Parts: sequence; structure tokens; C-alpha cells
Amino acid sequence: EIVLTQSPSTLSLSPGERATLSCRASQSVSTNYLAWYQQRPGQAPRLLISGASSRATGIPDRFSGSGSRTDFTLTISRLEPEDFAVYYCHQYDSSPTTFGQGTKLEIK
Amino acid sequence: QVQLVQSGAEVKKPGASVKVSCKASGYSFTTFDINWVRQATGQGLEWMGWMNPYSGGTGYAQKFQGRVTISRNTSINTVYMELSSLTSEDTAVYYCARGHGLAVAGEFDPWGQGTLVTVSS
Repeated sequence: EIVLTQSPSTLSLSPGERATLSCRASQSVSTNYLAWYQQRPGQAPRLLISGASSRATGIPDRFSGSGSRTDFTLTISRLEPEDFAVYYCHQYDSSPTTFGQGTKLEIK
Repeated sequence: QVQLVQSGAEVKKPGASVKVSCKASGYSFTTFDINWVRQATGQGLEWMGWMNPYSGGTGYAQKFQGRVTISRNTSINTVYMELSSLTSEDTAVYYCARGHGLAVAGEFDPWGQGTLVTVSS
């Protein structure tokens, strides 16, 4: 199965700063079938990005996804207070579908 | 709007089984797969399996083979996940999530609100 490794595990930033989150796959995600989710405390995950770079409906344009094959990035251009949460990447290129272990974005 | 509403929290004893429901609304129930994902407290997301509500076809993660059963009732737009032989390691929040289509790879959107299953003697 494809193992997704997210880094860093925790990222401490201030509102207004730029956040860069990484997701590295153990094998090529050949069709860019990679998604990103945001999970706030006590809530279900929410889809942000699919197909590595396509924003989901209603997601602000400060969120962007990029990358291909084994290296993917989620960028939040200017952090808002509500962006501090845990972020997961998810590959659906090969079975079984797998998730990264998450990056916690915390307020500095 | 598209919505998945799950059943309420459960407390089970070791060795018992639990059955969690996921009721879909706001779209045609038989045109999207439903997946099940669990999350232990403070941990990440773990995919358990999926169902094609149109055909009834299912697929399960190897870890849960033989212990999980996903079923559906099309008359009430509901999918069920039953997990047997529970241990304390199964204490987690269980989520259902809609797939991208039928039997096609895709992102999960939306997710149900989650159901906490606690296994304790």
C-alpha cells in the first residue's frame, strides 16, 4: 500500500503568515489522485483539495494544492484564525486508499 | 444540501458487536459509494471499507476482513457498518463519507458527523 508521510507533524505560525504543508508518498500517485482535508477539534474532516490542486466548492482561494508523483504541498497563503486545525492528505490512486498521519497547524 | 447523518454514540463490552448507521440525503443515494473511516482519540484517519449502494458490492481493508460488514437499505437511503469481536483497540470515532461516484476512485465529500464507539468492560 502507499504510505503517505506528512511534514512537519506540528507547524507553529501566526495569523497572516504563509503555511506550507508537505505530503510525501512511498510510491508514485500516478494520476494525481490526492486530496487534502481540514479537521477542526470535535468536527469531521472537510474536503479542501482534490486531484492534487482543485479546490472544493466553497473553499477560500487562500488554500492551494500543488505537486505530483510522490511530492505534494498544501499552501495557505495568509492564515486566518479559523485555519488553525489538523490537515490530512489522502491518496485514492491505489487500493487500499490511505491517509497521511496529519499536520497540526497551531497558533504561535 | 448533501448530508450524511450518523447514529448516536455507543458503549459496548469487549467481544460484542456494534452497528452504526449513515443516512444520506440531498442526492440520489444509489449514485455514489459510501466509505467508512475511523479515528482513535488523538490519532489519524484509517479507512475500513466501502459500499456501492446501487449494486450492494463491498470492499474491505485487509485489517478488518472477517470482522466488518457493510450493508444498506435503499428504501431509507441508509448504509450500515457492523464491527464484531470488539476490543478496547476499537474505541474510536467512526465516520461515513461519500465517494466520488460508483466504484471509481475519488475524494471523500461530505463526511458524516461521526459516531463515538467506546469499548469498555
